[in-house]
Amino acid sequence: SQTIHQWPATLVQPVGSPLSLECTVEGTSNPNLYWYRQAAGRGLQLLFYSVGIGQISSEVPQNLSASRPQDRQFILSSKKLLLSDSGFYLCAWTLGVAGGTNTGELFFGEGSRLTVL
Amino acid sequence: KNEVEQSPQNLTAQEGEFITINCSYSVGISALHWLQQHPGGGIVSLFMLSSGKKKHGRLIATINIQEKHSSLHITASHPRDSAVYICAVKDSNYQLIWGAGTKLIIKP
Repeated sequence: SQTIHQWPATLVQPVGSPLSLECTVEGTSNPNLYWYRQAAGRGLQLLFYSVGIGQISSEVPQNLSASRPQDRQFILSSKKLLLSDSGFYLCAWTLGVAGGTNTGELFFGEGSRLTVL
Repeated sequence: KNEVEQSPQNLTAQEGEFITINCSYSVGISALHWLQQHPGGGIVSLFMLSSGKKKHGRLIATINIQEKHSSLHITASHPRDSAVYICAVKDSNYQLIWGAGTKLIIKP
């Protein structure tokens, strides 16, 4: 069965420090991968998505970057965090459009709560 | 105007009540998702549908493609149903457009 792991679950970082959130998917290949951010009391905002290794699309210009070094690994990074980067970050995956058994369903990690002080 | 609108934004009901959460959208879609976000933040996919109706336990999701409207119903609601329910549509480019969510509180 497919699973998704995201870590760390909670992170408190000072302004100006770097960030690395990691997401890995098991039990499938060539997934579409997504990073979302949810500010307090607000809906999900798509930050990045990837349809393959090394392929990253950015939805919102910001202080963050994403990388996909392996098929089932998606990393969200920042070189210098800002206060406004605080929020709840969610990794998600779905099978690609051209995938085999494409249910189209979305699967989410448990999320990473980032507080920048 | 948002492309995906959910109503109500907040809903408080007594245990046992029948719950309806609505989602209207303004774009052409290939599918619509209903998801549940628990108080701890984790999100679980409830339904993905492109036509008709789906049922899972006490949850029922319907969609009317002509009217661009979907509803999520909860029968015999229970305090453990308290969560944020999110509607998201997949547009013709397979991009997801998210509703802002409906916060549901079920009181015992």
